[in-house]
Amino acid sequence: AQSVSQHNHHVILSEAASLELGCNYSYGGTVNLFWYVQYPGQHLQLLLKYFSGDPLVKGIKGFEAEFIKSKFSFNLRKPSVQWSDTAEYFCAVNALTGGFKTIFGAGTRLFVKA
Amino acid sequence: GAGVSQSPRYKVAKRGQDVALRCDPISGHVSLFWYQQALGQGPEFLTYFQNEAQLDKSGLPSDRFFAERPEGSVSTLKIQRTQQEDSAVYLCASSPRQETQYFGPGTRLLVL
Repeated sequence: AQSVSQHNHHVILSEAASLELGCNYSYGGTVNLFWYVQYPGQHLQLLLKYFSGDPLVKGIKGFEAEFIKSKFSFNLRKPSVQWSDTAEYFCAVNALTGGFKTIFGAGTRLFVKA
Repeated sequence: GAGVSQSPRYKVAKRGQDVALRCDPISGHVSLFWYQQALGQGPEFLTYFQNEAQLDKSGLPSDRFFAERPEGSVSTLKIQRTQQEDSAVYLCASSPRQETQYFGPGTRLLVL
């Protein structure tokens, strides 16, 4: 069965620090990959996605993610975080031959200290 | 434009009671998804509709859970004879096709 693993459940950083959130998935076929973010009191929203092409994907608010097929990973990065990046981040995978099911990781809560 | 809306936002039910949760997707979105999110976990897929057709219901945890989308727009998730383990946030998402999903605010269900 497909699964998504997010390495850190809680991350605390100071402003201007660099961020990398790990995401690994278990599925051998072709996948679509997503990072969603949920800011305090708001809905889940898309941060970035990878379907095909350049494995380095750029999203909103300076976030980027790199798809490394050989490692089954899709890590999220940001060179310099801001207080407003405090949120919960979810990695998600949709297997193209797995029907319509999207599998989410358990999430990483990021707190950025001002 | 208007996003995905869900109602009620909060629901308290006594164990054994039936509940109905409503989702109004973004107008024109073909795809509609329901998820269950337990505390401290990510959303777990329940079911998927393409227009009025329920194409995947593999995530529904038991036959007490039932979803419908009769006219291809509004959807209702019904839970019969609620149990305490049904307590969770129920999320609805819609999509113009089958890629980026737009999520609603969720319905927080507490079963006592």
